Amino acid sequence: DIVMTQTPLSSPVTPGQPASISCRSSQSLVRSDGNTYLSWLQQRPGQPPRPLIYKVSNRFSGVPDRFSGSGAGTDFTLKISRVETEDVGVYYCMQATQSPITFGQGTRLEIK
Amino acid sequence: EVQLVESGGGLVQPGRSLTLSCTGSGFTFGDYALSWFRQAPGQGLEWVTFIRSKTHGGTTEYAASVKGRFSISRDDSKNIAYLQMNSLKTEDTAVYYCGRSGDYFDYWGQGTLVTVSS
Repeated sequence: DIVMTQTPLSSPVTPGQPASISCRSSQSLVRSDGNTYLSWLQQRPGQPPRPLIYKVSNRFSGVPDRFSGSGAGTDFTLKISRVETEDVGVYYCMQATQSPITFGQGTRLEIK
Repeated sequence: EVQLVESGGGLVQPGRSLTLSCTGSGFTFGDYALSWFRQAPGQGLEWVTFIRSKTHGGTTEYAASVKGRFSISRDDSKNIAYLQMNSLKTEDTAVYYCGRSGDYFDYWGQGTLVTVSS
């Protein structure tokens, strides 16, 4: 199984400041079709997961452009350019390149 | 508007069975693969099972933790995917979510809580 490791596990951030979450996979996430199936999800308190980013860097419709994804191979990053209070929650990276689908442990974004 | 609605959760005793449903609307259900995920109380996300669209063979895959106990199926005429859960264990207690995927997962439901306890 591909192990997904997120850092940090907790990130206190001042509103208006940037935040960055790293996700590392135990093996390359490039599938034989040339695509990298790395996604990011946000889970606000008491809510279901909400997909933010797919295939490393593509934002879903309705996701603010302050969220961006980058990376390749085994190293990926989610960046929030200017954190807002509504961004509080847990962020997960997820790989769907290889079965079983696996998730990172989650990073809790807190407001200072 | 695309919607996925899970139902069928509840309290069940260890060793018993339960069937969850995931009803889709706002899209051509049969064109998409469906997955079930779960989240134990206070824990992270775990993938449970996956069923491909009939176009891609309708094949299924399971996490090792549920293989042989859980079964996923779909009825595209009713826009429903099912998760049959047998021989339930206390560690199966979780909120169960269904998710839709074409080339990637783009919609998740609100979830249904399954509590396995005597």
